[in-house]
Amino acid sequence: DTEVTQTPKHLVMGMTNKKSLKCEQHMGHRAMYWYKQKAKKPPELMFVYSYEKLSINESVPSRFSPECPNSSLLNLHLHALQPEDSALYLCASSRATGAREYNEQFFGPGTRLTVL
Amino acid sequence: KNQVEQSPQSLIILEGKNCTLQCNYTVSPFSNLRWYKQDTGRGPVSLTIMTFSENTKSNGRYTATLDADTKQSSLHITASQLSDSASYICVVSAGEYGNKLVFGAGTILRVKS
Repeated sequence: DTEVTQTPKHLVMGMTNKKSLKCEQHMGHRAMYWYKQKAKKPPELMFVYSYEKLSINESVPSRFSPECPNSSLLNLHLHALQPEDSALYLCASSRATGAREYNEQFFGPGTRLTVL
Repeated sequence: KNQVEQSPQSLIILEGKNCTLQCNYTVSPFSNLRWYKQDTGRGPVSLTIMTFSENTKSNGRYTATLDADTKQSSLHITASQLSDSASYICVVSAGEYGNKLVFGAGTILRVKS
């Protein structure tokens, strides 16, 4: 299995809602990433998990809360979002973050989030 | 400052024609360079990945080149197809272990019949 899956594909939520985005991979990768991508812009890194521990938080507002329950799963919990948070949220995984080798990241299809 | 610049911003070509996309980077320390294809609303899919010592790599109709001296890369698409319409993103890995990705803004390619 060489796929990164993300659910849901689309999500519409109000500013007072609490929702979660899910990401899963079964490639044995030990690094997982969340990116935010606005239209016609490149992805922006939000969080990096390495061996189920948060290793990078790119100064993301606390209304985004990541969680890595195990090496195959990555969640992004959303609460009190703003309309400007509407974007495509991409999950990615790679073998590791500390290996001196090709550290290719495999991306999921993304979740299209709309905040009303 | 680590930067990746791509040109052109957008491109329209006729089906069956060839095209070349450009990428210039100022990233240090350089680990590797990748080209991704991203369909609208989908995640990026890797086309090629090259390290410092590789200067060309092919994947079907896609051929990427890398000149590490001038810090330039190109992606050549041969005999374009309608399905090649997408955004093509040049991504350079920075850092000792290459885990910090620096994304270009992408080139939007439209192939028309």
